[in-house]
Amino acid sequence: GENVGLHLPTLSVQEGDNSIINCAYSNSASDYFIWYKQESGKGPQFIIDIRSNMDKRQGQRVTVLLNKTVKHLSLQIAATQPGDSAVYFCAENRSSGSARQLTFGSGTQLTVLP
Amino acid sequence: KAGVTQTPRYLIKTRGQQVTLSCSPISGHRSVSWYQQTPGQGLQFLFEYFSETQRNKGNFPGRFSGRQFSNSRSEMNVSTLELGDSALYLCASAPSGQETQYFGPGTRLLVL
Repeated sequence: GENVGLHLPTLSVQEGDNSIINCAYSNSASDYFIWYKQESGKGPQFIIDIRSNMDKRQGQRVTVLLNKTVKHLSLQIAATQPGDSAVYFCAENRSSGSARQLTFGSGTQLTVLP
Repeated sequence: KAGVTQTPRYLIKTRGQQVTLSCSPISGHRSVSWYQQTPGQGLQFLFEYFSETQRNKGNFPGRFSGRQFSNSRSEMNVSTLELGDSALYLCASAPSGQETQYFGPGTRLLVL
């Protein structure tokens, strides 16, 4: 079906290494994508977004890559820190016009090892 | 600016009861959306309100309803609660003309 899904449910990385979290989507009409970070007991926190007319966008220590050909999205975190441990969700905006409706992937649990 | 606030943070109800959850968006944001988060289904869209009108709706039964007030604050109501309604209910707001949604901490509802 048309779901945003993640390749891996869990990811463990050493502190200081780079992390790559992947996401596949199936709705070719989606034109806006967001990555959220959710720590235990908190709501999702916005990390970075990208529009379908771009293939790369960089933030502070994070980069999002979008490959529309294979409908793939990835989040790269540089120099991963213990505070980066959380569940990461990708989401696509499938709404039309001015309405908003985010469809979320299942999430990837990132664990940063000391 | 203060973030999205939700009240109450925790709630325990029994089957058959109804519940009302409240959300105050970020100041100046007119769009408010609601999501349900469960371990089994993940994050699912409930509905979106803008200028007191429901603009978009997800695939939830009619027991789930909402409204938005003139100050953009929103409430959602769940009637005839079922055990499966136990979840974290998240509210998100967005400024006019922008798609980025900012989430509150959520209300954790437990139905016994």
